[in-house]
Amino acid sequence: EDKVVQSPLSLVVHEGDTVTLNCSYEVTNFRSLLWYKQEKKAPTFLFMLTSSGIEKKSGRLSSILDKKELFSILNITATQTGDSAIYLCAPGSSNTGKLIFGQGTTLQVKP
Amino acid sequence: NAGVMQNPRHLVRRRGQEARLRCSPMKGHSHVYWYRQLPEEGLKFMVYLQKENIIDESGMPKERFSAEFPKEGPSILRIQQVVRGDSAAYFCASSLAGSNPYEQYFGPGTRLTVT
Repeated sequence: EDKVVQSPLSLVVHEGDTVTLNCSYEVTNFRSLLWYKQEKKAPTFLFMLTSSGIEKKSGRLSSILDKKELFSILNITATQTGDSAIYLCAPGSSNTGKLIFGQGTTLQVKP
Repeated sequence: NAGVMQNPRHLVRRRGQEARLRCSPMKGHSHVYWYRQLPEEGLKFMVYLQKENIIDESGMPKERFSAEFPKEGPSILRIQQVVRGDSAAYFCASSLAGSNPYEQYFGPGTRLTVT
């Protein structure tokens, strides 16, 4: 059965801190892994990772995939209160675009 | 607004009624995915559709749920004879034909409440 585990489940930090969010997965026919940010609405696309070891960056966020060890991390540097959200990891399973979502990491950034 | 559109945003139904949820994909996208998020749970895949075709419905409950994506118009997720356990947020996502199908962009969701 496909499985996605994110850790930690929740995290409270102060502005300026750096955080690392973890995602381990076991899915059949893995193709790509996606990270989303979810506030009180739609999950917002952050990254799609397909190749191992290649870091993707967008501003203060970065992410990397390890297909051998079956995990991915999402880093956020110099956190801001606007980074407070649930971060979702979702590897793709099969060839049909099916995303398997983890339970999410709830990040709270305090001023 | 070029993003994924869903309506209604909130829907209240009594037990036994029908619920119809609509999704218009991003401009230029022809692949639609429906996910359900039950309270305190993660998003769960339900169905993947292309125009006039259901590609993967492995996550759809066997009874009362159906989905379509006609040649013209939005995709529809239909729930017949709703029960309290159907109360959830239903998200639609879309992707571009010919690209990586996992690069999906989500709509704001429809929050269904069954009373």
